[in-house]
Amino acid sequence: GAGVSQSPSNKVTEKGKDVELRCDPISGHTALYWYRQSLGQGLEFLIYFQGNSAPDKSGLPSDRFSAERTGGSVSTLTIQRTQQEDSAVYLCASSQGQGPDTQYFGPGTRLTVL
Amino acid sequence: AQSVTQLGSHVSVSEGALVLLRCNYSSSVPPYLFWYVQYPNQGLQLLLKYTSAATLVKGINGFEAEFKKSETSFHLTKPSAHMSDAAEYFCAVSDWPGANSKLTFGKGITLSVRP
Repeated sequence: GAGVSQSPSNKVTEKGKDVELRCDPISGHTALYWYRQSLGQGLEFLIYFQGNSAPDKSGLPSDRFSAERTGGSVSTLTIQRTQQEDSAVYLCASSQGQGPDTQYFGPGTRLTVL
Repeated sequence: AQSVTQLGSHVSVSEGALVLLRCNYSSSVPPYLFWYVQYPNQGLQLLLKYTSAATLVKGINGFEAEFKKSETSFHLTKPSAHMSDAAEYFCAVSDWPGANSKLTFGKGITLSVRP
Protein backbone atom coordinates (compact mmCIF):
# COMPACT_ATOMS: atom_id res chain seq x y z
CA GLY A 1 0.00 0.00 0.00
CA ALA A 2 0.93 3.67 -0.05
CA GLY A 3 3.60 4.81 2.33
CA VAL A 4 4.08 8.12 4.08
CA SER A 5 4.26 11.01 1.67
CA GLN A 6 5.56 14.52 2.20
CA SER A 7 5.37 17.68 0.17
CA PRO A 8 7.11 19.59 -1.13
CA SER A 9 10.25 17.49 -1.51
CA ASN A 10 12.35 20.64 -1.64
CA LYS A 11 11.61 24.16 -0.45
CA VAL A 12 13.84 27.18 -0.83
CA THR A 13 12.72 30.30 0.97
CA GLU A 14 14.07 33.64 2.04
CA LYS A 15 14.84 34.47 5.63
CA GLY A 16 11.78 35.87 7.37
CA LYS A 17 9.20 34.08 5.21
CA ASP A 18 6.72 31.54 6.53
CA VAL A 19 6.68 27.96 5.21
CA GLU A 20 4.27 25.04 5.47
CA LEU A 21 5.35 21.44 5.19
CA ARG A 22 2.80 18.68 4.63
CA CYS A 23 2.72 15.06 5.71
CA ASP A 24 0.27 12.37 4.58
CA PRO A 25 0.61 9.36 6.89
CA ILE A 26 -0.24 5.76 6.14
CA SER A 27 -4.01 5.31 6.21
CA GLY A 28 -5.24 4.14 9.62
CA HIS A 29 -2.11 5.14 11.51
CA THR A 30 -3.13 7.08 14.59
CA ALA A 31 0.34 8.18 15.68
CA LEU A 32 2.31 10.77 13.72
CA TYR A 33 5.75 12.16 14.47
CA TRP A 34 7.82 15.01 13.03
CA TYR A 35 11.62 14.88 13.19
CA ARG A 36 14.31 17.22 11.92
CA GLN A 37 17.60 16.08 10.42
CA SER A 38 20.43 18.59 10.25
CA LEU A 39 24.18 18.32 9.89
CA GLY A 40 24.94 19.79 13.27
CA GLN A 41 22.21 18.19 15.38
CA GLY A 42 21.52 14.87 13.69
CA LEU A 43 17.98 13.49 13.91
CA GLU A 44 15.81 15.26 16.47
CA PHE A 45 12.22 14.70 17.58
CA LEU A 46 9.95 17.70 17.14
CA ILE A 47 6.33 16.79 17.91
CA TYR A 48 4.02 13.80 18.39
CA PHE A 49 0.36 13.48 17.45
CA GLN A 50 -2.11 10.89 18.64
CA GLY A 51 -5.15 11.42 16.50
CA ASN A 52 -5.59 15.17 16.18
CA SER A 53 -4.05 15.93 19.57
CA ALA A 54 -0.42 16.82 20.19
CA PRO A 55 0.39 15.62 23.71
CA ASP A 56 4.13 16.02 23.20
CA LYS A 57 5.49 19.21 21.67
CA SER A 58 8.69 19.11 23.66
CA GLY A 59 10.99 19.05 20.65
CA LEU A 60 9.75 22.20 18.93
CA PRO A 61 12.78 24.50 19.04
CA SER A 62 10.93 27.82 19.34
CA ASP A 63 7.48 29.37 19.22
CA ARG A 64 8.03 30.02 15.52
CA PHE A 65 7.31 26.33 14.99
CA SER A 66 3.79 24.94 15.13
CA ALA A 67 1.96 21.92 13.78
CA GLU A 68 -1.55 20.66 13.41
CA ARG A 69 -3.26 17.51 12.30
CA THR A 70 -6.75 17.31 10.92
CA GLY A 71 -9.15 14.41 10.46
CA GLY A 72 -6.66 12.14 12.17
CA SER A 73 -4.72 12.15 8.94
CA VAL A 74 -2.81 14.97 7.24
CA SER A 75 -0.41 17.05 9.29
CA THR A 76 1.12 20.43 8.53
CA LEU A 77 4.28 21.77 10.14
CA THR A 78 4.49 25.56 9.94
CA ILE A 79 7.62 27.60 10.48
CA GLN A 80 7.09 31.33 10.83
CA ARG A 81 9.73 33.96 10.14
CA THR A 82 12.23 31.38 8.96
CA GLN A 83 15.88 31.68 9.96
CA GLN A 84 18.96 30.18 8.33
CA GLU A 85 19.34 27.75 11.22
CA ASP A 86 15.97 26.25 10.25
CA SER A 87 17.59 24.77 7.13
CA ALA A 88 17.31 21.01 7.46
CA VAL A 89 15.44 17.96 6.24
CA TYR A 90 12.08 17.60 7.96
CA LEU A 91 10.93 14.00 8.27
CA CYS A 92 7.48 12.73 9.10
CA ALA A 93 6.73 9.26 10.41
CA SER A 94 3.55 7.41 11.27
CA SER A 95 2.72 4.28 13.23
CA GLN A 96 -0.29 2.33 14.41
CA GLY A 97 0.14 3.94 17.82
CA GLN A 98 0.41 0.70 19.78
CA GLY A 99 3.40 0.71 22.10
CA PRO A 100 6.88 0.71 20.61
CA ASP A 101 5.65 -0.16 17.14
CA THR A 102 7.49 0.53 13.93
CA GLN A 103 7.52 4.09 12.66
CA TYR A 104 7.34 4.42 8.90
CA PHE A 105 9.14 7.44 7.53
CA GLY A 106 8.39 9.64 4.57
CA PRO A 107 11.08 10.83 2.16
CA GLY A 108 11.36 14.21 3.88
CA THR A 109 11.20 17.85 2.88
CA ARG A 110 14.54 19.58 2.38
CA LEU A 111 14.19 23.17 3.56
CA THR A 112 16.79 25.75 2.59
CA VAL A 113 16.56 29.23 4.07
CA LEU A 114 18.61 31.81 2.18
CA ALA B 1 16.51 10.15 29.60
CA GLN B 2 17.26 7.33 27.24
CA SER B 3 20.05 7.69 24.71
CA VAL B 4 22.14 5.78 22.20
CA THR B 5 25.76 6.26 21.21
CA GLN B 6 27.24 5.35 17.86
CA LEU B 7 30.99 5.66 17.98
CA GLY B 8 32.68 6.82 14.83
CA SER B 9 30.98 8.44 11.89
CA HIS B 10 32.30 6.37 9.03
CA VAL B 11 33.06 2.70 8.43
CA SER B 12 34.60 1.35 5.25
CA VAL B 13 34.66 -2.35 4.34
CA SER B 14 35.47 -4.40 1.28
CA GLU B 15 32.72 -6.15 -0.62
CA GLY B 16 32.22 -9.57 0.93
CA ALA B 17 33.71 -8.55 4.29
CA LEU B 18 31.96 -8.55 7.65
CA VAL B 19 29.98 -5.44 8.53
CA LEU B 20 29.94 -4.40 12.20
CA LEU B 21 28.27 -1.16 13.26
CA ARG B 22 28.31 -0.43 16.96
CA CYS B 23 25.54 0.98 19.13
CA ASN B 24 25.46 1.37 22.90
CA TYR B 25 22.41 2.49 24.81
CA SER B 26 21.61 4.12 28.11
CA SER B 27 18.23 3.42 29.64
CA SER B 28 16.74 3.13 33.10
CA VAL B 29 14.10 0.68 31.86
CA PRO B 30 14.28 -2.28 29.47
CA PRO B 31 14.88 -0.55 26.13
CA TYR B 32 13.18 -0.92 22.81
CA LEU B 33 15.89 -0.53 20.16
CA PHE B 34 15.83 0.00 16.43
CA TRP B 35 18.22 0.12 13.51
CA TYR B 36 17.22 2.24 10.52
CA VAL B 37 18.99 2.69 7.19
CA GLN B 38 18.90 5.82 5.05
CA TYR B 39 19.89 5.75 1.41
CA PRO B 40 20.82 9.05 -0.27
CA ASN B 41 17.91 11.46 -0.59
CA GLN B 42 15.48 8.99 0.94
CA GLY B 43 13.69 8.59 4.24
CA LEU B 44 14.55 6.06 6.89
CA GLN B 45 13.78 2.39 6.44
CA LEU B 46 13.54 -0.03 9.34
CA LEU B 47 16.19 -2.78 9.31
CA LEU B 48 15.23 -4.48 12.55
CA LYS B 49 13.98 -3.87 16.06
CA TYR B 50 14.42 -5.32 19.54
CA THR B 51 11.30 -5.52 21.68
CA SER B 52 12.49 -8.03 24.31
CA ALA B 53 11.20 -11.16 22.57
CA ALA B 54 14.62 -12.51 21.58
CA THR B 55 18.14 -11.18 22.06
CA LEU B 56 19.25 -12.04 18.51
CA VAL B 57 17.15 -10.11 16.05
CA LYS B 58 17.17 -10.78 12.33
CA GLY B 59 16.24 -8.05 9.91
CA ILE B 60 16.02 -7.34 6.23
CA ASN B 61 18.84 -7.61 3.68
CA GLY B 62 20.79 -10.13 5.78
CA PHE B 63 21.37 -7.83 8.75
CA GLU B 64 21.07 -8.93 12.35
CA ALA B 65 21.73 -7.43 15.77
CA GLU B 66 22.28 -8.90 19.21
CA PHE B 67 20.99 -7.28 22.38
CA LYS B 68 23.52 -7.61 25.21
CA LYS B 69 22.25 -6.20 28.49
CA SER B 70 25.56 -6.71 30.29
CA GLU B 71 27.33 -4.59 27.70
CA THR B 72 24.40 -2.21 27.05
CA SER B 73 24.96 -2.85 23.37
CA PHE B 74 22.93 -3.52 20.25
CA HIS B 75 25.52 -3.89 17.49
CA LEU B 76 24.46 -4.42 13.88
CA THR B 77 26.20 -7.06 11.77
CA LYS B 78 26.10 -8.58 8.31
CA PRO B 79 28.38 -11.48 7.37
CA SER B 80 29.13 -10.33 3.83
CA ALA B 81 28.89 -6.73 2.63
CA HIS B 82 27.35 -5.89 -0.71
CA MET B 83 27.84 -2.71 -2.69
CA SER B 84 24.16 -1.91 -2.22
CA ASP B 85 24.69 -1.74 1.57
CA ALA B 86 26.42 1.63 1.22
CA ALA B 87 24.20 4.02 3.18
CA GLU B 88 23.85 5.77 6.52
CA TYR B 89 22.77 3.68 9.49
CA PHE B 90 21.03 4.96 12.61
CA CYS B 91 20.53 3.27 15.93
CA ALA B 92 17.55 4.53 17.93
CA VAL B 93 15.83 3.94 21.27
CA SER B 94 12.12 4.37 21.86
CA ASP B 95 10.76 6.45 24.70
CA TRP B 96 8.25 3.68 25.41
CA PRO B 97 6.95 3.06 28.03
CA GLY B 98 7.18 6.80 28.46
CA ALA B 99 4.54 9.22 27.33
CA ASN B 100 4.85 8.04 23.72
CA SER B 101 7.12 6.11 21.39
CA LYS B 102 9.23 8.97 20.07
CA LEU B 103 12.67 7.87 18.97
CA THR B 104 16.02 9.18 20.13
CA PHE B 105 18.63 8.58 17.45
CA GLY B 106 22.37 8.18 17.47
CA LYS B 107 24.49 10.41 15.24
CA GLY B 108 24.54 7.81 12.48
CA ILE B 109 27.31 5.88 10.75
CA THR B 110 28.08 6.10 7.05
CA LEU B 111 28.98 2.71 5.61
CA SER B 112 31.13 2.62 2.48
CA VAL B 113 31.71 -0.62 0.58
CA ARG B 114 34.84 -0.94 -1.55
CA PRO B 115 34.77 -3.17 -4.64
